[in-house]
Amino acid sequence: ELKVEQNPLFLSMQEGKNYTIYCNYSTTSDRLYWYRQDPGKSLESLFVLLSNGAVKQEGRLMASLDTKARLSTLHITAAVHDLSATYFCAVDIGEYGNKLVFGAGTILRVKS
Amino acid sequence: NAGVMQNPRHLVRRRGQEARLRCSPMKGHSHVYWYRQLPEEGLKFMVYLQKENIIDESGMPKERFSAEFPKEGPSILRIQQVVRGDSAAYFCASSPPGLIEDTQYFGPGTRLTVL
Repeated sequence: ELKVEQNPLFLSMQEGKNYTIYCNYSTTSDRLYWYRQDPGKSLESLFVLLSNGAVKQEGRLMASLDTKARLSTLHITAAVHDLSATYFCAVDIGEYGNKLVFGAGTILRVKS
Repeated sequence: NAGVMQNPRHLVRRRGQEARLRCSPMKGHSHVYWYRQLPEEGLKFMVYLQKENIIDESGMPKERFSAEFPKEGPSILRIQQVVRGDSAAYFCASSPPGLIEDTQYFGPGTRLTVL
């Protein structure tokens, strides 16, 4: 059974600091997604990573994918309060594409 | 372009009743997915549908749950004889035809509470 493990599950950090969230998965896949969820809200797509070595950046967030290590990272640079949310990685294992297996999520709290 | 729409947003049912959750995909999207999110957990895949076809239902419980995506109208997730363990947020997502790599766009969810 595929496992998608995120760590840490909870992250409290000061504004201005840097940190990395890790997403490990246990099967072969070269399609990985990062989503953000605010409390009581739906999921917002952040990044789509489709090949080994893919790196994407948007604002203070940067995501990368190493398919050989089965590892994706979400790096936060100079955190601000508005980044407080739950971040999910999801691995696509579908035969037809788009069957996502989600990690448990990382709750990020940025303190001012 | 309106996003994925789900209704109702909140649904309360008593044990044994039926719950019907509706999802209208984004315009131009022909692929629909249903996920369930239990409190403090990630989303769990339930079913993947295209118009009039169930493509992958490997995440659907074997009993009481069914899903459809008719030629006309929204996709429906139906839960018969609900139990307290069915209480969760149910999210629908959609994606356009053709590109399997495209991200899924999620709706606001239906929060089901079973009393």
